[in-house]
Amino acid sequence: DAKTTQPTSMDCAEGRAANLPCNHSTISGNEYVYWYRQIHSQGPQYIIHGLKNNETNEMASLIITEDRKSSTLILPHATLRDTAVYYCIVRVGGSGSARQLTFGSGTQLTVLP
Amino acid sequence: DTAVSQTPKYLVTQMGNDKSIKCEQNLGHDTMYWYKQDSKKFLKIMFSYNNKELIINETVPNRFSPKSPDKAHLNLHINSLELGDSAVYFCASSQDNRARGELFFGEGSRLTVL
Repeated sequence: DAKTTQPTSMDCAEGRAANLPCNHSTISGNEYVYWYRQIHSQGPQYIIHGLKNNETNEMASLIITEDRKSSTLILPHATLRDTAVYYCIVRVGGSGSARQLTFGSGTQLTVLP
Repeated sequence: DTAVSQTPKYLVTQMGNDKSIKCEQNLGHDTMYWYKQDSKKFLKIMFSYNNKELIINETVPNRFSPKSPDKAHLNLHINSLELGDSAVYFCASSQDNRARGELFFGEGSRLTVL
């Protein structure tokens, strides 16, 4: 699986958009970008995933560059409850894709009041 | 109802003891996992079962033995506990034929070995 690089930590003001970057320059054509987050003392939670098109759901938006070497997770209006570690994971998609999702060190996002 | 539930949530025990953590999912998923998160917060997969069959078995000491009595349950038994086993253990489940790659995690079981 392609390796990902994320900043160790970021701050964001409450109510503003939080933009979390992820580099995955060695991504292969059949690999998806997945985002999870882990709020303190809880299990990780799926946020969104995408292959090459931008994706949006009720939690966030995922912007993938045209060359697919990097992506940005956008939380449009961050709240204090969005404070968490955010993991960017690259993995082959399709059946069985949830297997062996490899979690790196992620980005600690702190939303400030 | 909690989708993926683990018991106990906290477990404090002495070195050398044997302990078990239980996990149940009510999502109808066919695949279940155990992950370990150590003090440095790295989350690593330990085991995975698909329809009660072991499909992933990472490099884990033989003292750790998973058991899946049915699709909805995956228990973790640990023999001869060591200090280094102290960690948070997360159970998770997924539906293997779905392409979303979405894992559903439990709340974790914090094991402290004294």
